[in-house]
Amino acid sequence: GAGVSQTPSNKVTEKGKYVELRCDPISGHTALYWYRQSLGQGPEFLIYFQGTGAADDSGLPNDRFFAVRPEGSVSTLKIQRTERGDSAVYLCASSSRLAGHMIFGPGTRLTVL
Amino acid sequence: DAKTTQPTSMDCAEGRAANLPCNHSTISGNEYVYWYRQIHSQGPQYIIHGLKNNETNEMASLIITEDRKSSTLILPHATLRDTAVYYCIVRALNTGTASKLTFGTGTRLQVTL
Repeated sequence: GAGVSQTPSNKVTEKGKYVELRCDPISGHTALYWYRQSLGQGPEFLIYFQGTGAADDSGLPNDRFFAVRPEGSVSTLKIQRTERGDSAVYLCASSSRLAGHMIFGPGTRLTVL
Repeated sequence: DAKTTQPTSMDCAEGRAANLPCNHSTISGNEYVYWYRQIHSQGPQYIIHGLKNNETNEMASLIITEDRKSSTLILPHATLRDTAVYYCIVRALNTGTASKLTFGTGTRLQVTL
């Protein structure tokens, strides 16, 4: 497709479990971003990649959160030992050097019971 | 990135122009003004951005004051589908396209019949 896609669209898990959230950016976009959004708040930056490397991971809240982008396209956000406070919508975005502006995916709604 | 100040909410009648203000009094010379919007349950959508000149595209117009300390997003003929949260963000681009956006809480625009 032409847009950023994220899977799954919804994920329900239990406290303490491990989850992986996937982002497929627009083909050819070199930069990829992860955000999370709690109810009533604006999106909060987590991490971004330029190519395969994490250029800025200052928004990751703690070491339970990790993200990879091994081939410079698809990215996976990994959350270990999930907590109820991790419940949020996780948004992915990508951008190209030409356009500059970020295009967001629809998000993954994570619910930790 | 510099902070922005926006009204929490605004109403607009359908068919009228919606003028959404934003203050960014601490903006730096290399920072652009970006506008995104987020319709309920969707990812943020890019609208427009500018540095110091006014900009117009198929979605909206962006008016930036001469001192760059404030701007106004104009939706010339608002429709019910424009009901959303609108985010004004300043973003430095001196490092290329891969720089994060820092979202605030935005302005909730309600378009009414």
